[in-house]
Amino acid sequence: GAVVSQHPSWVICKSGTSVKIECRSLDFQATTMFWYRQFPKQSLMLMATSNEGSKATYEQGVEKDKFLINHASLTLSTLTVTSAHPEDSSFYICSARVAGGGAYNSPLHFGNGTRLTVT
Amino acid sequence: AQKITQTQPGMFVQEKEAVTLDCTYDTSDPSYGLFWYKQPSSGEMIFLIYQGSYDQQNATEGRYSLNFQKARKSANLVISASQLGDSAMYFCAMREFQGGKLIFGQGTELSVKP
Repeated sequence: GAVVSQHPSWVICKSGTSVKIECRSLDFQATTMFWYRQFPKQSLMLMATSNEGSKATYEQGVEKDKFLINHASLTLSTLTVTSAHPEDSSFYICSARVAGGGAYNSPLHFGNGTRLTVT
Repeated sequence: AQKITQTQPGMFVQEKEAVTLDCTYDTSDPSYGLFWYKQPSSGEMIFLIYQGSYDQQNATEGRYSLNFQKARKSANLVISASQLGDSAMYFCAMREFQGGKLIFGQGTELSVKP
């Protein structure tokens, strides 16, 4: 159980275009989802926290107008990279917390990530 | 603010031997959880083991054990009987009761030699 599906697994787009990444919890409801970004051989950096039905909370230094996050339902959150540039090329990975699993001792369940390449 | 530190960028271990991956943390919240994740080259994050700040016993999950030393604020991962499939990036992470964000250390790349 607790499967998180992320789509697409990889995408190549041209500079200036927008890309949407989906994160779905398949067998549980997720009131909170987290979006991370990872450069090669580096750690996962939290970009934003997405709560169902409300605006996302962005970490310091993350442009909310560039990385649009929508969490419209208890099973789906989307990250849209708007007007993508080559420096946005990275590995984006989402994670979800089971509804009611707000305690600090419940592990997050991760999607398999999306490798974005902007040419 | 919470902080997680992994000081070993890369580690080598011989197959079938044990290896310890270091992790230290800092937090002012008395309630927190410590996690270890494995990330193979394919990119997915695999949850390995969890230790709570109030847990008296060190956590164990199969070949994985967590050496939790609360006073030293360390939570080292011990992998026993290493296998070739253990070669991957390993991340230590912490989540505070207040805030709930999962913050990761820099990671350690483990290579298991045959």
